[in-house]
Amino acid sequence: GAVVSQHPSWVICKSGTSVKIECRSLDFQATTMFWYRQFPKQSLMLMATSNEGSKATYEQGVEKDKFLINHASLTLSTLTVTSAHPEDSSFYICSARDPAGGIDEQYFGPGTRLTVT
Amino acid sequence: QKEVEQNSGPLSVPEGAIASLNCTYSDRGSQSFFWYRQYSGKSPELIMFIYSNGDKEDGRFTAQLNKASQYVSLLIRDSQPSDSATYLCAVNIPAGPLVFGKGTRLSVIA
Repeated sequence: GAVVSQHPSWVICKSGTSVKIECRSLDFQATTMFWYRQFPKQSLMLMATSNEGSKATYEQGVEKDKFLINHASLTLSTLTVTSAHPEDSSFYICSARDPAGGIDEQYFGPGTRLTVT
Repeated sequence: QKEVEQNSGPLSVPEGAIASLNCTYSDRGSQSFFWYRQYSGKSPELIMFIYSNGDKEDGRFTAQLNKASQYVSLLIRDSQPSDSATYLCAVNIPAGPLVFGKGTRLSVIA
């Protein structure tokens, strides 16, 4: 299957600072990437859909000014958590769709665990 | 509203038994169906996908799809303790994001 990487795998930051998470498709070009958040023992929550070269589409209740998404190339999407607070501590996971796959499956990155102190 | 329903479990089966995981979906326009496995603290991993009615087998895993009943299932034969994880059912319509169920937690008891 297709490979998606994320960086960093974990990050600790102080309240009020910003954190950038990178999501890369390593062996395919992803026109669409997705960002999810998962709190402990809870289900995946879709935050936004990131389309290369255009603005991201945010799910209801997700603050677009707080969670900045940039999909500048076919292999890279970034999520920046601005002015992070402890309640933003979570597991952030990206996924990418391989358009050549033909079945619309999504491949997930390994996730980034964010802890805001 | 597109919804995917799964029993949250936990579903406990003895080692060597067949584990049966079920999923229903609300959108009749859905065309592709996926099963992901997620270990605690890890991201989901794609196990299988199915898009035609009937069964699809891959090793110890069999996915079953019944579009008339809007029902997808995953059978795991010869269950192993290493199969203990949360299994996520996901449904797709073209060009949209996958819609995930909340997952079923499977526990295989040695």
